[in-house]
Amino acid sequence: SQTIHQWPATLVQPVGSPLSLECTVEGTSNPNLYWYRQAAGRGLQLLFYSVGIGQISSEVPQNLSASRPQDRQFILSSKKLLLSDSGFYLCAWRAGGKHGYTFGSGTRLTVV
Amino acid sequence: TQLLEQSPQFLSIQEGENLTVYCNSSSVFSSLQWYRQEPGEGPVLLVTVVTGGEVKKLKRLTFQFGDARKDSSLHITAAQPGDTGLYLCAGPTSGTYKYIFGTGTRLKVLA
Repeated sequence: SQTIHQWPATLVQPVGSPLSLECTVEGTSNPNLYWYRQAAGRGLQLLFYSVGIGQISSEVPQNLSASRPQDRQFILSSKKLLLSDSGFYLCAWRAGGKHGYTFGSGTRLTVV
Repeated sequence: TQLLEQSPQFLSIQEGENLTVYCNSSSVFSSLQWYRQEPGEGPVLLVTVVTGGEVKKLKRLTFQFGDARKDSSLHITAAQPGDTGLYLCAGPTSGTYKYIFGTGTRLKVLA
């Protein structure tokens, strides 16, 4: 069966520090991968998506970036965090041609 | 730009009551999904509706896709405290791999 792992679960980082969040998927190949951010108790904002290794589409201009170094690995990064980067970050995958996402358990990022 | 608006934004009801949550758009969607999210966790897919007018049931939850595929509803019969959570609708944007999410309905069922 397919599983998705996302870590860390919580993170407190100072303003100006770098960020690296990792997401891996098991049990499938060539998944579509997504990074979303969720403001407190609200809907999800798409940040990045990838349909293949090295292929990244950015939805929101900001100081975040994403990379897909391997088929089932998706990384969200920042060189210098801002206070406004605080939020709940969710990784998700979807099989090509299939409906709906499977989400990871999320990372709560607090920038102080 | 395709948007999904959900209503109501918040809902607090007593155990045993019925409720309906709505997801509306001015755009046509090829499918819509409903998710439930609990605090501190990722959303979990409940159902996908694909055909206009389609009705799907998941125990006490009934999902309907509008005939024109621009809206959907979620009806919960005899709500229980375990139904508490954030309900999100989502749909694929035209010609892309991206899904957009609705604004969410936060449901609280009181025992």
